[in-house]
Amino acid sequence: QQPVQSPQAVILREGEDAVINCSSSKALYSVHWYRQKHGEAPVFLMILLKGGEQKGHEKISASFNEKKQQSSLYLTASQLSYSGTYFCGTEQRAAGNKLTFGGGTRVLVKP
Amino acid sequence: NAGVTQTPKFRILKIGQSMTLQCTQDMNHNYMYWYRQDPGMGLKLIYYSVGAGITDKGEVPNGYNVSRSTTEDFPLRLELAAPSQTSVYFCASSRLRGTDYGYTFGSGTRLTVV
Repeated sequence: QQPVQSPQAVILREGEDAVINCSSSKALYSVHWYRQKHGEAPVFLMILLKGGEQKGHEKISASFNEKKQQSSLYLTASQLSYSGTYFCGTEQRAAGNKLTFGGGTRVLVKP
Repeated sequence: NAGVTQTPKFRILKIGQSMTLQCTQDMNHNYMYWYRQDPGMGLKLIYYSVGAGITDKGEVPNGYNVSRSTTEDFPLRLELAAPSQTSVYFCASSRLRGTDYGYTFGSGTRLTVV
């Protein structure tokens, strides 16, 4: 079943922060985060494994709450280059490395 | 390194025609995947493979077929194209579990069925 992302879209001014959430009704082994620019392929940002670890990539970080089957992506001090659509991909237990992607969150960072 | 290479980049098919979307990776990844992305939507898994000779269906396999004869190549075959298959197709690969086993995506094939 497809994970649910919220919000569907967010508009930021440069330097502002934002949080994108990803929720699943299934028990998860891992959560991936990808960013896709218009007309381009998705680009891998990071993986969160069960255990609630937090990771970072530039000023983008994420957390994974295994008990709630939720992950959050944090955009801190946003830059113009952060604009794009962010997708979470969830991996269930014993599903290999097969991901189910959410519907995406469109992020627009304005000067 | 080229990463994941997809050809063609664009294609227009007539209803009922068939075609093969090519995908090649040079990273020696065991896992390969085909996803489709409809406008403004997320990615849906069509087929995947965990190694040469092993393939399995994903979420939306109807109307498609795959084969995996080598580690590098994972072609996707469309039989009897239908307008509902108009989409952007992404091939991806990943390695087995380890540190940061994220997907590497190809640049995509934009297919229009008319």
